[in-house]
Amino acid sequence: GQSLEQPSEVTAVEGAIVQINCTYQTSGFYGLSWYQQHDGGAPTFLSYNALDGLEETGRFSSFLSRSDSYGYLLLQELQMKDSASYFCAVRVGYNQGGKLIFGQGTELSVKP
Amino acid sequence: DVKVTQSSRYLVKRTGEKVFLECVQDMDHENMFWYRQDPGLGLRLIYFSYDVKMKEKGDIPEGYSVSREKKERFSLILESASTNQTSMYLCASSLGGSEDTQYFGPGTRLTVL
Repeated sequence: GQSLEQPSEVTAVEGAIVQINCTYQTSGFYGLSWYQQHDGGAPTFLSYNALDGLEETGRFSSFLSRSDSYGYLLLQELQMKDSASYFCAVRVGYNQGGKLIFGQGTELSVKP
Repeated sequence: DVKVTQSSRYLVKRTGEKVFLECVQDMDHENMFWYRQDPGLGLRLIYFSYDVKMKEKGDIPEGYSVSREKKERFSLILESASTNQTSMYLCASSLGGSEDTQYFGPGTRLTVL
C-alpha cells in the first residue's frame, strides 16, 4: 500500500521554530510537496522538493532525503497566522495526471 | 492568478438522490482532481482527469463517477447519495508536466440526510 505518516498535531509559541516531519512509503516517487490549509479554507501550495536537500522560501523551508523516505517542513519565526493544518504529499505519477498522495495532516497551533 | 471555482459551498441532499458537483478552472490546466476530506483522514483522491474525456480512478472511486466534456470543467457525480458520502469535497487543477502544483477550489460541504 501507499502511506504517509506525519504527526497529528503540534503546538508552539509565537517566534519559535517548529519542524513537521513526514515519512512516506509509496510505489513511485517524483517529489514531496507541502500544502497549508487554514480552518475553512482551501489547501494552498507551500513547497516542492524533487531532489535531496533543503529548499528555502522566506520563513518556510522544506527538506527531503529520498534514501530515508523522509522530509520535513520547517517554519521559523512563527506567527499566529501560521496556525493551520499542514499536509505533506508525494507525487506518485508524472505523465497522465501528476497524482498526489496526501498525508493525514498536522494541525499546528501557535500560542502567544 | 489561477482560479478554481466550485458550484456550491454548502449542499444538503437526501439519501438516494443524484448529486452533481461542478468544478471550473480558468487557467487552461490539463489535470483536474476530485478529493474528499474527512477529519483525521486527510485528502483522499476520488477521481482525476488528465485530458478532456479522460478519467482515472483514484483511491476511493466507489459510489462516484466523473465527467469531463470540456477542458475547464470537471464534474463529480454521486449516482445515489448515501449518508457515508457526507463530507467536504475539494476540486483541484494542475498544469501538468514538471509543474505539478495543485490549485484547490473552496470546497463543497455536502450533507446527505
